Amino acid sequence: DVKVTQSSRYLVKRTGEKVFLECVQDMDHENMFWYRQDPGLGLRLIYFSYDVKMKEKGDIPEGYSVSREKKERFSLILESASTNQTSMYLCASSLTRGLNYGYTFGSGTRLTVV
Amino acid sequence: AQTVTQSQPEMSVQEAETVTLSCTYDTSESDYYLFWYKQPPSRQMILVIRQEAYKQQNATENRFSVNFQKAAKSFSLKISDSQLGDAAMYFCAWGTSGSRLTFGEGTQLTVNP
Repeated sequence: DVKVTQSSRYLVKRTGEKVFLECVQDMDHENMFWYRQDPGLGLRLIYFSYDVKMKEKGDIPEGYSVSREKKERFSLILESASTNQTSMYLCASSLTRGLNYGYTFGSGTRLTVV
Repeated sequence: AQTVTQSQPEMSVQEAETVTLSCTYDTSESDYYLFWYKQPPSRQMILVIRQEAYKQQNATENRFSVNFQKAAKSFSLKISDSQLGDAAMYFCAWGTSGSRLTFGEGTQLTVNP
């Protein structure tokens, strides 16, 4: 089975800290995604990547950046964490540019910024 | 921009009964995919069912089936013989080949014993 692993299940950080959320997939998927999940808003796309060293902005990229130095790893970076970035963060990957099989998701990181 | 709307924030159903979750979407594309994902308390998103827009036949996976109305841009999920393990947040999602998925707001399903 394809596995997408997010490094932390829960994270508490202070306002102004630089925060790294890590995501690793083990099945050679080209595509990787970072979503933010908030009650009543569903999942909103922050950034995505179709290849190594490639990144594209999603719908809500402000305050975030990403890094994809290796195919299997996609990192989300909060340059200076703020309380409005308290949320659930979901990483996902997919095999090809097509959507035949949808995404495989990690189990999420619940980030609290205090 | 493409949008996906789930108008029912919460739904409840009695065990063994049938429930239908609603989803509508807005697009000018003719070829696309639709998905229903389930997110239980464990937070792990699980693909429940998918539908390809060019297929007229509604997708079915065991107790889960969809009612896909392309002209109405509607994609509802029917869960038959509901079980306690079906309790979860359900997300509807839309996408085209070569693009990303757009998700709805989610519907929290409660199953009462």
